[in-house]
Amino acid sequence: AQKITQTQPGMFVQEKEAVTLDCTYDTSDPSYGLFWYKQPSSGEMIFLIYQGSYDQQNATEGRYSLNFQKARKSANLVISASQLGDSAMYFCAMREKSNDYKLSFGAGTTVTVRA
Amino acid sequence: NAGVTQTPKFQVLKTGQSMTLQCAQDMNHEYMSWYRQDPGMGLRLIHYSVGAGITDQGEVPNGYNVSRSTTEDFPLRLLSAAPSQTSVYFCASSAGTSLLHYGYTFGSGTRLTVV
Repeated sequence: AQKITQTQPGMFVQEKEAVTLDCTYDTSDPSYGLFWYKQPSSGEMIFLIYQGSYDQQNATEGRYSLNFQKARKSANLVISASQLGDSAMYFCAMREKSNDYKLSFGAGTTVTVRA
Repeated sequence: NAGVTQTPKFQVLKTGQSMTLQCAQDMNHEYMSWYRQDPGMGLRLIHYSVGAGITDQGEVPNGYNVSRSTTEDFPLRLLSAAPSQTSVYFCASSAGTSLLHYGYTFGSGTRLTVV
């Protein structure tokens, strides 16, 4: 069964606007961590933000914030004030204690920022 | 420069050939893993290791072997290449084998084509 679901294969966003990337996850483990990675066209994987299952507040890192809705098993990434350099593939990933701390990825969402 | 080094960056193989993808990290990370990335499927775990001398299978291990004789190195061997193994391969490492919030550091990837 798919552990991480990203339902938006591709999105367009206007420069300076905000964009929300959806991510839902499936786990029965109370101990897990959620990650978002960015992959630009050059191919490298860049860590953006982390949210732990026991964290009380939503994570933020600069223009990135994570909208964590634990009951809905949702961990959406919000990018504020989009820039042309934000055009990339974005992956949601989860690490579970019960799964030997392996990192499982979703299929990814391609974001294209328009000038 | 500290990080995860993968070689080669590009490789073309003929069906039936064998080869080894090299991965080395200089951060003294215990956890190392190999992923393959295919369009629309995100990153899928091939094999992983929680320390020298310990390896285990991931989601898609068939056709691949690994070993971990040192903390620094985690080579991936393709035993008899098949066109289905055409993919981009990433090596990743993490400081924490039992800590959820430790992120992964990724290598720059190896683009493998099997003809």
